[in-house]
Amino acid sequence: GAGVSQSPSNKVTEKGKDVELRCDPISGHTALYWYRQRLGQGLEFLIYFQGNSAPDKSGLPSDRFSAERTGESVSTLTIQRTQQEDSAVYLCASSWTGMAGANVLTFGAGSRLTVL
Amino acid sequence: DQQVKQNSPSLSVQEGRISILNCDYTNSMFDYFLWYKKYPAEGPTFLISISSIKDKNEDGRFTVFLNKSAKHLSLHIVPSQPGDSAVYFCAARENTDKLIFGTGTRLQVFP
Repeated sequence: GAGVSQSPSNKVTEKGKDVELRCDPISGHTALYWYRQRLGQGLEFLIYFQGNSAPDKSGLPSDRFSAERTGESVSTLTIQRTQQEDSAVYLCASSWTGMAGANVLTFGAGSRLTVL
Repeated sequence: DQQVKQNSPSLSVQEGRISILNCDYTNSMFDYFLWYKKYPAEGPTFLISISSIKDKNEDGRFTVFLNKSAKHLSLHIVPSQPGDSAVYFCAARENTDKLIFGTGTRLQVFP
């Protein structure tokens, strides 16, 4: 597609339930990132996939969070046993790496998660 | 530990004047710096970047200045327009492709 697509755009769930958020990156982009933005805060790095390399999971806040990526395409971020503090906008981004210069991340519109 | 800091949460500027958004960082290994702009209910969009080997990069109304000794960069917008009203994020990269973002500055340009 022309841009990064995320679904659902909005998700309201009850505390303790599991949620899955999906990201379709730009075709041909080898790198995929997940960030989140909690209310009034900045963009918090969660996880980064680059080709066939092991993902950088250093930003995942707890073991309730996990993410997978199928090849160089779709990624799913899963949050198990959601807590109220997980409420945030979850942003996915992709980029084409391997060229000189700053890799420019292209972001999706985000998935707004509200945990009641 | 916040490696990229934007200490001003908000800024209000009159249309036509200059907007200056500031960003400080702590990691001297950052090799690229980027500015992103975010409108409500949309993802951030790339605005301008600068390599650590340069001290200035200009693109139309937008100029980014880098002071490595002070670990400080700034984004200048001149002249400011009402459509520039958004949240601006500073980001930095350390030798990998992962970007570390600041907390953002909300810019409001009023007529």
